[in-house]
Amino acid sequence: EIVLTQSPATLSLSPGERATLSCRASQSVGIYLGWYQQKPGQAPRLLIYDASNRATGIPARFSGRGSGTDFTLTISSLEPEDCAVYYCQQRSNWPGITFGPGTKVDIK
Amino acid sequence: EVQLVQSGAEVKKPGESLKISCKGSGYNFTNSWIGWVRQMPGKGLEWMGIIYPGDSDTRYSPSFQGQVTISADKSISTAYLQWSGLMPSDTAIYYCARLRAGGPATPPNWFDPWGQGTLVTVSS
Repeated sequence: EIVLTQSPATLSLSPGERATLSCRASQSVGIYLGWYQQKPGQAPRLLIYDASNRATGIPARFSGRGSGTDFTLTISSLEPEDCAVYYCQQRSNWPGITFGPGTKVDIK
Repeated sequence: EVQLVQSGAEVKKPGESLKISCKGSGYNFTNSWIGWVRQMPGKGLEWMGIIYPGDSDTRYSPSFQGQVTISADKSISTAYLQWSGLMPSDTAIYYCARLRAGGPATPPNWFDPWGQGTLVTVSS
């Protein structure tokens, strides 16, 4: 089973700052890495798929990059509504799917 | 609009059985995989399994194989998650979500959209 590790566990930043979240896979997943946002009390929402493609309706301040085992989600300029937990997810060997443990983003 | 609507919250006693549902609309339910994801209180997301309603092909995460049953009724665009003997450790929010492809000629890898979640509480 492919294990995903996310860092940091928690990120506390001010509005307007840049947030960089990391996701590392225990073995290569190619570009099959996605990112989800989960706000308190809500269902998760797909942000990024295939490592770098924004899902429909996702603001341009969210971007993803990476391939193989190392991936990054960047929020270029934090908004108060970006306070959430962010999960990465891989699906490289059908049908195996795993999620990372999540990174909590707090807005100061 | 593609939408998944889940059944309401449940409170059950240990040992009881339960079946929760997820109804899809706004897309061809038969031709898209549906997955189930567990979120225990204060914890992260765990993939449980997926089903293809067109032919009921079902795949389970090794962690959930034998613990739950996933099924679907394509005639009413509804997927199900059921337990035959609940335990307190089954207390969680359960989400259904459609698995979709990122682009043409790529496999369905991504959960989008998600249902609103069903809270299952198991307590004596």
